[in-house]
Amino acid sequence: DSGVTQTPKHLITATGQRVTLRCSPRSGDLSVYWYQQSLDQGLQFLIQYYNGEERAKGNILERFSAQQFPDLHSELNLSSLELGDSALYFCASSRDPTNEKLFFGSGTQLSVL
Amino acid sequence: GQQLNQSPQSMFIQEGEDVSMNCTSSSIFNTWLWYKQDPGEGPVLLIALYKAGELTSNGRLTAQFGITRKDSFLNISASIPSDVGIYFCAGQGETSGSRLTFGEGTQLTVNP
Repeated sequence: DSGVTQTPKHLITATGQRVTLRCSPRSGDLSVYWYQQSLDQGLQFLIQYYNGEERAKGNILERFSAQQFPDLHSELNLSSLELGDSALYFCASSRDPTNEKLFFGSGTQLSVL
Repeated sequence: GQQLNQSPQSMFIQEGEDVSMNCTSSSIFNTWLWYKQDPGEGPVLLIALYKAGELTSNGRLTAQFGITRKDSFLNISASIPSDVGIYFCAGQGETSGSRLTFGEGTQLTVNP
């Protein structure tokens, strides 16, 4: 158990809908990362937060947004969903923003039908 | 941006065999890491490397930080069925605090 909690584990929705994925980092970790894993694209970095502030942005679509709350949990919001958004979404956390040792949650499997 | 080429993409081996996989980059990395992802789970850190030429072991796993700082290797000796999974390399570039770049992964299948 990595200590990173992600909910829900599975999500099935329709095109055009909006969903929210939730992540609680390991106790004491201030930095949260979101990754997307598709079958053909490996682990793609989406966005990083540190202590409530956006730290780095990767290949995150404009339809996607995230935030980190004062209690350090984070949410990833995906809107106007398309079939191609179907993927495994991982949250990871680390102690500080430059720590390369990431601890990953078990992921949320999103299926857009 | 930085890209990692990981090979092979997949491997099918017999239990007891040794395994080798590698990652190469067009850019220099300051840190190389190897993660393993079990089915239905998130990646778990196996080994972290911080210096060119460094050789580090974790049980039957051994990883090396290439001297050119543009590559890394992972070896698994005497494979067992629970070694099945996807192995990812990841690198952290020279820019301070730069985020990790992940390879495409090597899918390992071990036949008993």
